[in-house]
Amino acid sequence: AQKITQTQPGMFVQEKEAVTLDCTYDTSDPSYGLFWYKQPSSGEMIFLIYQGSYDQQNATEGRYSLNFQKARKSANLVISASQLGDSAMYFCAMREGLQGGSQGNLIFGKGTKLSVKP
Amino acid sequence: KAGVTQTPRYLIKTRGQQVTLSCSPISGHRSVSWYQQTPGQGLQFLFEYFSETQRNKGNFPGRFSGRQFSNSRSEMNVSTLELGDSALYLCASSNGLAAAFRFYNEQFFGPGTRLTVL
Repeated sequence: AQKITQTQPGMFVQEKEAVTLDCTYDTSDPSYGLFWYKQPSSGEMIFLIYQGSYDQQNATEGRYSLNFQKARKSANLVISASQLGDSAMYFCAMREGLQGGSQGNLIFGKGTKLSVKP
Repeated sequence: KAGVTQTPRYLIKTRGQQVTLSCSPISGHRSVSWYQQTPGQGLQFLFEYFSETQRNKGNFPGRFSGRQFSNSRSEMNVSTLELGDSALYLCASSNGLAAAFRFYNEQFFGPGTRLTVL
């Protein structure tokens, strides 16, 4: 079974508008971390935001926020005021704790390609 | 602070050959992880090294190996190359905190090495 599911292979958003990229995860470990990375066409993975499973508040980093709904096992990324430079692949990833079976490695979703239109 | 560097950036090999890729982590980081990214399989974890010891290993054949040196630089080797080994190989470094807290250990990625096997 997929541990990280990103159901949107591609998305378009108008410049200056907000966009939500979906991510659902599956783990039986109570301790885990959720990450979002951006991968431009150059290939480098750029860390955007992190949410811990015990964090009480949703994470925010500048224009990025994470809509964390633990009961639904969802960790959607919200980008506010989209910019042309936001066009890239976006990956949701999870690292489980020691009970998760993945030995603490980062598990990635298939990604969502975001295109920002001027 | 210099980021993660990977060399070479591009590589073309033929089937049956072997290849060595290099990764220099951020200064002070002791953990280096390697990932393979392909269009079909997405991002998959290869292995992680911490203080010159392999700490975790993904589900890849023995043709894939790695090592880490005392200065934390890491190399990965792929022997007897196959067409399916064509991929972007990403290296990530982190400070490698104790296992109990590793799930929020931020990883910084390098630009990757794009390997093409003909």
